[in-house]
Amino acid sequence: GENVEQHPSTLSVQEGDSAVIKCTYSDSASNYFPWYKQELGKRPQLIIDIRSNVGEKKDQRIAVTLNKTAKHFSLHITETQPEDSAVYFCAARTLYGNNRLAFGKGNQVVVIP
Amino acid sequence: NAGVTQTPKFQVLKTGQSMTLQCAQDMNHEYMSWYRQDPGMGLRLIHYSVGAGITDQGEVPNGYNVSRSTTEDFPLRLLSAAPSQTSVYFCASSRIGTEQGAHEQYFGPGTRLTVT
Repeated sequence: GENVEQHPSTLSVQEGDSAVIKCTYSDSASNYFPWYKQELGKRPQLIIDIRSNVGEKKDQRIAVTLNKTAKHFSLHITETQPEDSAVYFCAARTLYGNNRLAFGKGNQVVVIP
Repeated sequence: NAGVTQTPKFQVLKTGQSMTLQCAQDMNHEYMSWYRQDPGMGLRLIHYSVGAGITDQGEVPNGYNVSRSTTEDFPLRLLSAAPSQTSVYFCASSRIGTEQGAHEQYFGPGTRLTVT
């Protein structure tokens, strides 16, 4: 099955700087890549997603890039703010898996004021 | 819409006890799933369903049963609780995806289960 890995496991950034989280996936048939944010004690919530026919997608301060050849995708957060501190999960869905998602283990992002 | 709801929020069980975690959604989603979340392990899929009467195993199904008698409800049963099942359990739902794309999964608030 699909295997998704995230790096680094923990990331500390100064407020205002950018943060980048990278994920790799194993199944070349995967075609949908969402990113979820989970604040402490809360449920995961979708913040952005990308499909395999698109190389980049932006939504205000966040963006996701996809490299299908290398089988990796990245989350970019610009002008980080304290409220960006959370655990971020990437995931991948294979073409024939309906909505079954394989999640990475998560990245703890800490924004230092 | 209430979205995805889960009960209870917290539960403590003794080893060997059984219980059912409840999950319901009011968005008419075909797809529902159960995950467990453990520190450093991310979200691991236990069981999922693509519609009423259809269920399938995820990556960590042992010790758990599910059924899907209605579109709205997807209960998770622990048959004989073990300390290894101490975890936070999330239910999620979404519309069914197609080859061209998938739909956002909405998560419930979670159930924190402790097995002693």
